[in-house]
Amino acid sequence: GENVEQHPSTLSVQEGDSAVIKCTYSDSASNYFPWYKQELGKRPQLIIDIRSNVGEKKDQRIAVTLNKTAKHFSLHITETQPEDSAVYFCAALGNKLVFGAGTILRVKS
Amino acid sequence: DADVTQTPRNRITKTGKRIMLECSQTKGHDRMYWYRQDPGLGLRLIYYSFDVKDINKGEISDGYSVSRQAQAKFSLSLESAIPNQTALYFCATSAANEAFFGQGTRLTVV
Repeated sequence: GENVEQHPSTLSVQEGDSAVIKCTYSDSASNYFPWYKQELGKRPQLIIDIRSNVGEKKDQRIAVTLNKTAKHFSLHITETQPEDSAVYFCAALGNKLVFGAGTILRVKS
Repeated sequence: DADVTQTPRNRITKTGKRIMLECSQTKGHDRMYWYRQDPGLGLRLIYYSFDVKDINKGEISDGYSVSRQAQAKFSLSLESAIPNQTALYFCATSAANEAFFGQGTRLTVV
């Protein structure tokens, strides 16, 4: 079945450094790739998304890249801040919405 | 996001009881989903529906059932709740290029 693999499972960075989270998907029909940030006990919040006809999208300190040939997409956070600490999920939407297992990001000040 | 509403938000129930979690949406999306999240873990798909007549099992459907009463409503039932069904449950909807979550239902089975 369709699945999304996400790496790393945990990531610790120093404040001001960059963080990169990578995902790989299996469903060739996937055409929409959202990224969510989830704080403890709350619902996942959409932070950025990318559609299959675009290779890169940037919103301030957050960027996402997509390689449809390789079925890879990545989240890049620059100039990390302590408030970026959370769990991040990638997802791929094809026939259904499938999530990666999540990455716990800790930004150390 | 009030576009996807889950009720109840919190529920404590006893082992063996039947419980229903409800989800309604105003997004007009055909696709709706129920996910379960355990502490420290990701989102696991329980059931999903492409429209009123199309219901599909996800990766962890055992012990759960669903009903798509209308395009806007998708309910999840636990016929006989057990303690290991204690978790945070999320409803979600999607269209071609967007996906939205409900606020979540925290269910505790004692």
